[in-house]
Amino acid sequence: AQKITQTQPGMFVQEKEAVTLDCTYDTSDQSYGLFWYKQPSSGEMIFLIYQGSYDEQNATEGRYSLNFQKARKSANLVISASQLGDSAMYFCAMGEDSNYQLIWGAGTKLIIKP
Amino acid sequence: EAGVAQSPRYKIIEKRQSVAFWCNPISGHATLYWYQQILGQGPKLLIQFQNNGVVDDSQLPKDRFSAERLKGVDSTLKIQPAKLEDSAVYLCASSSTSGTSYEQYFGPGTRLTVT
Repeated sequence: AQKITQTQPGMFVQEKEAVTLDCTYDTSDQSYGLFWYKQPSSGEMIFLIYQGSYDEQNATEGRYSLNFQKARKSANLVISASQLGDSAMYFCAMGEDSNYQLIWGAGTKLIIKP
Repeated sequence: EAGVAQSPRYKIIEKRQSVAFWCNPISGHATLYWYQQILGQGPKLLIQFQNNGVVDDSQLPKDRFSAERLKGVDSTLKIQPAKLEDSAVYLCASSSTSGTSYEQYFGPGTRLTVT
């Protein structure tokens, strides 16, 4: 069965430091997508970054990059130069290319300290 | 480009009452999703529409929940009668599945409290 695991329930990071949020996945599909979303305390779910299973290069979007290691089935999110506004819940999700559904991890609560 | 719209933002009802949520997706997005998110958990898919047809409603508690997407644009989700355990945030998302990436864009959600 397909599954997403986020092993860090919470993290504290000093402002301006880089942070890595872990995500591992399990699937027998060859074609799939990996997504990261941010959910601030206000509740909206914000799309951050996408990586396709056939993409050879790691995805980057501004301060966000996705460290994709296909053989290890991991898709860690790296946030460079963290800011106070990065404090939020972060969810990793895996998409099934066959039906466009997302399977969600339990989330990691990130708190940036000034 | 306007985002996903949802209303109401908050709703408080008593158990056994009924409630309805509305969602208007991003223009042109064929796929619409309704999720239930319990505090501290990831979203749980309730139903997925492709245009005005249901793709997957396997996790929708059909004895009390119903959803429709007439004309393939906006959608309503109804709960009748509500239970205490239905207290959650109900998220609507839409996606364009015509490209190589199919990220979902979410509305602000409706926070439901059942007392």
